[in-house]
Amino acid sequence: AQKVTQAQTEISVVEKEDVTLDCVYETRDTTYYLFWYKQPPSGELVFLIRRNSFDEQNEISGRYSWNFQKSTSSFNFTITASQVVDSAVYFCALSEARRDDKIIFGKGTRLHILP
Amino acid sequence: DAGVIQSPRHEVTEMGQEVTLRCKPISGHDYLFWYRQTMMRGLELLIYFNNNVPIDDSGMPEDRFSAKMPNASFSTLKIQPSEPRDSAVYFCASSFPGYEQYFGPGTRLTVT
Repeated sequence: AQKVTQAQTEISVVEKEDVTLDCVYETRDTTYYLFWYKQPPSGELVFLIRRNSFDEQNEISGRYSWNFQKSTSSFNFTITASQVVDSAVYFCALSEARRDDKIIFGKGTRLHILP
Repeated sequence: DAGVIQSPRHEVTEMGQEVTLRCKPISGHDYLFWYRQTMMRGLELLIYFNNNVPIDDSGMPEDRFSAKMPNASFSTLKIQPSEPRDSAVYFCASSFPGYEQYFGPGTRLTVT
């Protein structure tokens, strides 16, 4: 069965600190996709990244970076030099290629960046 | 592209009334998804379509909920009759096969 666990329900850090959001997934498929979405206080869901199971390269986009490790079934998200605008709920998600694009979302991690 | 469009953005209705939520997906996307988000249950997938055909409606709470996709550019989610526990934010999303979903702004439904 597919499952996404975001153990951190809520995190607070002071602005400019680095913060890592954890994501652990379960799947029996060899072909799957992992995602991160951001939901700011305004409520919309914003796509951040998609990673397929055959690409374990870490990715960096500005202050954001993602660490994909199949050995530990983890897809962690790090924000470097956090800013108040990073305050949001962040969702990790998984889809299996054989499940016709159905995405399973984690419960989300609420991130507070304190000025 | 304008992105996924949902209407209305806010809906307040009385218990027992019919509610219709509307969604226009991104042009060319094959998949369309309806989600519901509440504090208690998080983000739940209700139903999704592939090329206008419903694929999985196992997330639809009960018979009071129905969804249609009459063509590639329009879908509706209907609740009849509505109940206070249906109060939530309803999101529509669309995607290409195997790719990320793009979400609409959501409809905040309040049933009194």
